[in-house]
Amino acid sequence: AQSVTQPDIHITVSEGASLELRCNYSYGATPYLFWYVQSPGQGLQLLLKYFSGDTLVQGIKGFEAEFKRSQSSFNLRKPSVHWSDAAEYFCAVGPTGTASKLTFGTGTRLQVTL
Amino acid sequence: GAGVSQTPSNKVTEKGKYVELRCDPISGHTALYWYRQSLGQGPEFLIYFQGTGAADDSGLPNDRFFAVRPEGSVSTLKIQRTERGDSAVYLCASSRGGWSTDTQYFGPGTRLTVL
Repeated sequence: AQSVTQPDIHITVSEGASLELRCNYSYGATPYLFWYVQSPGQGLQLLLKYFSGDTLVQGIKGFEAEFKRSQSSFNLRKPSVHWSDAAEYFCAVGPTGTASKLTFGTGTRLQVTL
Repeated sequence: GAGVSQTPSNKVTEKGKYVELRCDPISGHTALYWYRQSLGQGPEFLIYFQGTGAADDSGLPNDRFFAVRPEGSVSTLKIQRTERGDSAVYLCASSRGGWSTDTQYFGPGTRLTVL
């Protein structure tokens, strides 16, 4: 069965500092991987996704993520955090092929201090 | 264009009552998903529709939960004999087609509180 682990429940960074949110997955083959962001009162918004090819993927809002097969990881990064990035971030895994469910991690809450 | 909409945004009910939650997907999206998000958790899959049919209902927790999508557009999640443990945010998502590469777009959710 597929699963996702986000080991950090809560992270606090200063505005302008760099950010890395960790995500580890368990899946029998190469999965499709996603990062979503959830702001208070907002729906989940897709930041970026990895299907195949270049293991460094760029997303919206200046975020990027790197797929590392050897570590079963898909960590999210941003070079300089803005106060508006404060939100809950979810990593998700989905099977390849026909459409199917996403399996989400428990999320990491990002707090940004000014 | 319009995104996924869900109504109501909040629903408070008493234990044992019946509730219906509605989802309007993005126009033209054939795939529709329901997830449930409990406090402090990530969304958990409930059911997936492709068109009018439920392609995967493996996430429905028990037979009190049922969902329909009779015309392949709007979907209704129905919960009978609600229990306090059903309290959560129910999320709906839609995607263009039947491939896992199609992005799932999420609605704002319905917060269900069972007293």
